[in-house]
Amino acid sequence: SQQGEEDPQALSIQEGENATMNCSYKTSINNLQWYRQNSGRGLVHLILIRSNEREKHSGRLRVTLDTSKKSSSLLITASRAADTASYFCATDAWTTDSWGKLQFGAGTQVVVTP
Amino acid sequence: EAQVTQNPRYLITVTGKKLTVTCSQNMNHEYMSWYRQDPGLGLRQIYYSMNVEVTDKGDVPEGYKVSRKEKRNFPLILESPSPNQTSLYFCASSLGQGDYEQYFGPGTRLTVT
Repeated sequence: SQQGEEDPQALSIQEGENATMNCSYKTSINNLQWYRQNSGRGLVHLILIRSNEREKHSGRLRVTLDTSKKSSSLLITASRAADTASYFCATDAWTTDSWGKLQFGAGTQVVVTP
Repeated sequence: EAQVTQNPRYLITVTGKKLTVTCSQNMNHEYMSWYRQDPGLGLRQIYYSMNVEVTDKGDVPEGYKVSRKEKRNFPLILESPSPNQTSLYFCASSLGQGDYEQYFGPGTRLTVT
């Protein structure tokens, strides 16, 4: 079953603008990760945030985690055409059914136009 | 260069013809897994392995087999492929399960006619 759900499904912005996408999940988690996928290629890890963390930064990326709302957001600041990709959240949940499994959402497709 | 490799990258086959997709990693990772990606469904885990000779089912294991005889290799076997297994397949590896970033292979696009 799908644990994380991204919102929006698609996002179109211009270069220089910020892009924000959200991820909601259903069960308690150990950590949440964000990945990027360029068209048809393998996923690339962006950032991991643990359940006891609230915010994390990496370059132009800012991730927040609200465990009370079971949600996370990924902010890309000053976007570039090279940021055009699909972005996925993935959760490592604390349930017997999910032990050992990283569960991915369906992704947000981001298009950055020059 | 640290990487996960998959072969073949593209495969068109017919229903019922057994096939194997190979996956190899050179990072000495304990944990390896297979995912399939279908439009609108994100990535779904097929099987995973926490170590040599230890494998377990993911969310969609039906119709697939795996083996982990060596740490670096984790082949995916389709004994009798069917059209509903047409998909984009990814192998991934990490130091351990859950709390580690996963490194993904480039993907194998499989079409079963």
